[in-house]
Amino acid sequence: NAGVTQTPKFQVLKTGQSMTLQCAQDMNHNSMYWYRQDPGMGLRLIYYSASEGTTDKGEVPDGYNVSRLKKQNFLLGLESAAPSQTSVYFCASSDLAGGRTDTQYFGPGTRLTVL
Amino acid sequence: QKEVEQDPGPLSVPEGAIVSLNCTYSNSAFQYFMWYRQYSRKGPELLMYTYSSGNKEDGRFTAQVDKSSKYISLFIRDSQPSDSATYLCAMSITGANNLFFGTGTRLTVIP
Repeated sequence: NAGVTQTPKFQVLKTGQSMTLQCAQDMNHNSMYWYRQDPGMGLRLIYYSASEGTTDKGEVPDGYNVSRLKKQNFLLGLESAAPSQTSVYFCASSDLAGGRTDTQYFGPGTRLTVL
Repeated sequence: QKEVEQDPGPLSVPEGAIVSLNCTYSNSAFQYFMWYRQYSRKGPELLMYTYSSGNKEDGRFTAQVDKSSKYISLFIRDSQPSDSATYLCAMSITGANNLFFGTGTRLTVIP
C-alpha cells in the first residue's frame, strides 16, 4: 500500500516549456487535489477533483490544467512554464463520506524550478 | 486579510519543554480543525483532527479550539527532537474540498 505517489520528484524547466506532473493513489479515494507550497504562503489549492471525470478550480488555477480520467490518477499540466511557477507541488487524496471533512493524505511532493 | 493566520516562527525549544502553537482565523463558519506535521522535504501528515469547539488529546499532543475567539492551539508535552518539523493548521466549513491552511510554524527541539 503505497498511499499517494508523485512523479517526478524533481524537475527543472526553461520558461515556455510544458510538462505534466503525475499523481497516483491506491486507497480508492474519490477526491484528489493539487496544491503548491511557497515560502510564507502556505499550501494553496490549484485544482481539485471530487470524482473521476470531474475537476474544479481552486485558489490559484491560472497557468495550469488538470485531468482525472481514472479514479486513481490526477495529472497536473503546465502549459507554458513561467518562473512564478517555481514551487513545491503536492498531490493529496481524501474520501469524503457523508459530507464530513475527512483526512487528506499527501504525496511526497515534486520540486519544480523554472528558469 | 488571510482566512487563516499562523506565526511562522521559527520556534526553538529545549527537549522536554511544553510547546504551544497557535492559529487565528476570520471565518466563523469553519467547523473542522486540523493540525498537520510536515518534516523537511516531505508531504504533510495529519496529526490531530477536531470538530467544532473543545479539546482533544492524543498522547503528548492536545488540540484546543475556541470558536468564540476564533483561535486554535496545539500543545506538545515533553517535546522530543523527533518533533522538529513544520506544523500547519488547517480548517474548513464542510467537505474536504475547501481546506484552508496556515503558513506553518517551524519548530526545532534541541537535545
